[in-house]
Amino acid sequence: DAKTTQPPSMDCAEGRAANLPCNHSTISGNEYVYWYRQIHSQGPQYIIHGLKNNETNEMASLIITEDRKSSTLILPHATLRDTAVYYCIVRVATLGSRLTFGEGTQLTVNP
Amino acid sequence: GAVVSQHPSRVICKSGTSVKIECRSLDFQATTMFWYRQFPKQSLMLMATSNEGSKATYEQGVEKDKFLINHASLTLSTLTVTSAHPEDSSFYICSAREISEYSPLHFGNGTRLTVT
Repeated sequence: DAKTTQPPSMDCAEGRAANLPCNHSTISGNEYVYWYRQIHSQGPQYIIHGLKNNETNEMASLIITEDRKSSTLILPHATLRDTAVYYCIVRVATLGSRLTFGEGTQLTVNP
Repeated sequence: GAVVSQHPSRVICKSGTSVKIECRSLDFQATTMFWYRQFPKQSLMLMATSNEGSKATYEQGVEKDKFLINHASLTLSTLTVTSAHPEDSSFYICSAREISEYSPLHFGNGTRLTVT
């Protein structure tokens, strides 16, 4: 699986957009970009994933650069409950392929 | 959405005893489940891949005789920590994917194991 690089921590004001970057310069053509988050002492929560097109769901938007070497997760209106560790993971879409977690980004949303 | 239930959420046991953790996919079938372990202030580390009807695949450095995995049905996998020691105290998390390679992994809420 391709390695990802994320900043260790970020801060965001409540109500503002949180933009979390991820570099995955060695991504292969058949690898998807997945985003998860983990709130303290809970299991990770799936947020969104994509291959090359931008994606949006009720939680967030995922912007993937044209060369696919980086992506940005956007939480449009961050709330205090969005404070968590956010993980960007690349994975080949096969049935048995696993997710390998890096260190992630600790996002702190401030009042 | 897909839900993975993990039980118990917390367990305290004495050194030398065994503990069983259950992981269930509630509204979907999963031929493959994954078990992770997380120590304080660290990221999740994959321990093993659990395959329905066959033997689990363990990551390097994980003792298969200590961490017994059974995946007896398409909705249930169990992890048994045998002869637990204080260094086994950790947060254990299971995950499962619907039977589609494009589906995301869904995670249980974890089991906090404390060995005294």
